[in-house]
Amino acid sequence: DAGVIQSPRHEVTEMGQEVTLRCKPISGHNSLFWYRQTMMRGLELLIYFNNNVPIDDSGMPEDRFSAKMPNASFSTLKIQPSEPRDSAVYFCASLGGANVLTFGAGSRLTVL
Amino acid sequence: AQSVSQHNHHVILSEAASLELGCNYSYGGTVNLFWYVQYPGQHLQLLLKYFSGDPLVKGIKGFEAEFIKSKFSFNLRKPSVQWSDTAEYFCAVGQAGTALIFGKGTTLSVSS
Repeated sequence: DAGVIQSPRHEVTEMGQEVTLRCKPISGHNSLFWYRQTMMRGLELLIYFNNNVPIDDSGMPEDRFSAKMPNASFSTLKIQPSEPRDSAVYFCASLGGANVLTFGAGSRLTVL
Repeated sequence: AQSVSQHNHHVILSEAASLELGCNYSYGGTVNLFWYVQYPGQHLQLLLKYFSGDPLVKGIKGFEAEFIKSKFSFNLRKPSVQWSDTAEYFCAVGQAGTALIFGKGTTLSVSS
């Protein structure tokens, strides 16, 4: 299995631009999570899905952030418009029957 | 509120020294406990986990952790660290099928 696949690995954009991060979970995993990692706040849960349904989005910072999971093999996290304080590493992770969270390599976002 | 506290922000050790990283949690009900490791520039990888049974669990690379229910703790230990153990270590807590809550992480620097 290729593991959790995230793209892009690095994104540099200007303030006000739309950013879309993508994630392909491990096949057969029913839950998908988006986390954000910063030096100041550590790892924060943004949102998670069970069977493609959003369960808890209380960690989404504000309305500029949105996430979708149209099918079991794909999810997106969108920021529109982006701001410099959104600069972080965004991790996607999926959870299977063994109850162990497997992380992707992350998407490093820099907003200028 | 649910939370995970890692006592040490940065630990500096010489090779062959013993390691203990503290983790305390506040969480209602039965919990699953994890330690993840993040090597420089890489994603989080599972080091070890506790679901039930023997409170002393052994993980990869010689790491172990002990769950002490009365103290709400899950400290990570290694008898003799190596330079290659230089990384950031995260304690995480959650219930089956739900999102994990992570501590802020402890950076371990090992000098040769």
